[in-house]
Amino acid sequence: DQQVKQNSPSLSVQEGRISILNCDYTNSMFDYFLWYKKYPAEGPTFLISISSIKDKNEDGRFTVFLNKSAKHLSLHIVPSQPGDSAVYFCAALHGSGNTGKLIFGQGTTLQVKP
Amino acid sequence: EAGVVQSPRYKIIEKKQPVAFWCNPISGHNTLYWYLQNLGQGPELLIRYENEEAVDDSQLPKDRFSAERLKGVDSTLKIQPAELGDSAVYLCASSPGGGRFPTQYFGPGTRLTVL
Repeated sequence: DQQVKQNSPSLSVQEGRISILNCDYTNSMFDYFLWYKKYPAEGPTFLISISSIKDKNEDGRFTVFLNKSAKHLSLHIVPSQPGDSAVYFCAALHGSGNTGKLIFGQGTTLQVKP
Repeated sequence: EAGVVQSPRYKIIEKKQPVAFWCNPISGHNTLYWYLQNLGQGPELLIRYENEEAVDDSQLPKDRFSAERLKGVDSTLKIQPAELGDSAVYLCASSPGGGRFPTQYFGPGTRLTVL
């Protein structure tokens, strides 16, 4: 049972345009969400997170939106740059603090074309 | 600050052979995680340590997998014997103690190929 789903395996956008990566979850008990970025042959790198008490969190070119009623979150990258080309994983924290574990989606491969 | 260190980066073995992976977390991080990542999938937790105690090993296949973190710092994950289906990337992560939502920091992973 996949509790965190990223239904788009890949996304291609033009440099300078907006990239929107989507993520759906099924467990309403999740209250913290994270996005990780992964380059080939490297481990995932933390990008941005959001608590369920918020509906938006912004950090530079990256914004995460959370719609709890729809159990949906999205990552917006504006403007997209070729260096953003990577695999993006959505993750939900099951539990809290150091007792929690991350449940990851399958990942979306983003390609930003110059 | 040094990140999470893992070795080896790549390992190729024949089935039924043993294999071990090593992880050194970020200095001062009390919590250490081992994840398994299959091709085209997100990482899945195998085991979580708080200092030297394994506090969640429910996803670890204990018939062939074992892990230890004897002094609460570095950790070793072992598979014996390895099977073809164990081919995957094994990721180690660490996070600082305390706080409700500590961020997990990942190492580069060990890519295991079982022939």
